[in-house]
Amino acid sequence: SYELTQPPSVSVSPGQTASITCSGNKLGDKYAYWYQQKPGQSPVSVIYQDTKRPSGIPERFSGSNSGNTATLTISGTQAMDEADYYCQAWDSSTVVFGGGTKLTVL
Amino acid sequence: QVQLQESGPGLVKPSETLSLTCTVSGGSLSSYYWSWIRQPPGKGLEWIGYIYYSGSTNYNPSLKSRVTISVDTPKNQFSLNLTSVTAADTAVYYCARTEATIYFDYWGQGTLVTVSS
Repeated sequence: SYELTQPPSVSVSPGQTASITCSGNKLGDKYAYWYQQKPGQSPVSVIYQDTKRPSGIPERFSGSNSGNTATLTISGTQAMDEADYYCQAWDSSTVVFGGGTKLTVL
Repeated sequence: QVQLQESGPGLVKPSETLSLTCTVSGGSLSSYYWSWIRQPPGKGLEWIGYIYYSGSTNYNPSLKSRVTISVDTPKNQFSLNLTSVTAADTAVYYCARTEATIYFDYWGQGTLVTVSS
């Protein structure tokens, strides 16, 4: 079965750029999606179809996807961006989530 | 603004059936897929399955033998049945609207279901 691999944790200083990776076999041939989940809350879509931002998502969130790796980039990271982030893809008629990355802003 | 709300028992006994309903407001079920996703306490997300508004379904292979998702279009609801539950099925269960390229743009608030005797 298809697997998506994320680093368990990423740390970033306020105002700096955070990059969260998601790796999977030929992931670049599929769409990658990203969700943000804060403690006690439901996930929120922050990037869809590799690079698109839903309405209401700040411009500091961006995405890319090529080869075997999709990347979520948060520019000018703010304290409010501290959360768990999950990537997601669609393979062989199955939804696959990455294991999640805890982003710490310190 | 589309809103989704899960409802159902918060406690289910082992070997019994977990049943949840998702009520959609602010929009119709038409032309969308509708999914169930779960998250065990402290763990990641797991897709359970989806149903198209017309009734066709697709399930996670790892749960397929125990899962049924159904839709009630007049009530603007869709439902999840998960049979023969064990403690491993304890999780927060989310319902979500699912776009055609299969991603989740609107989520319910989630409901915790505990499997325990």
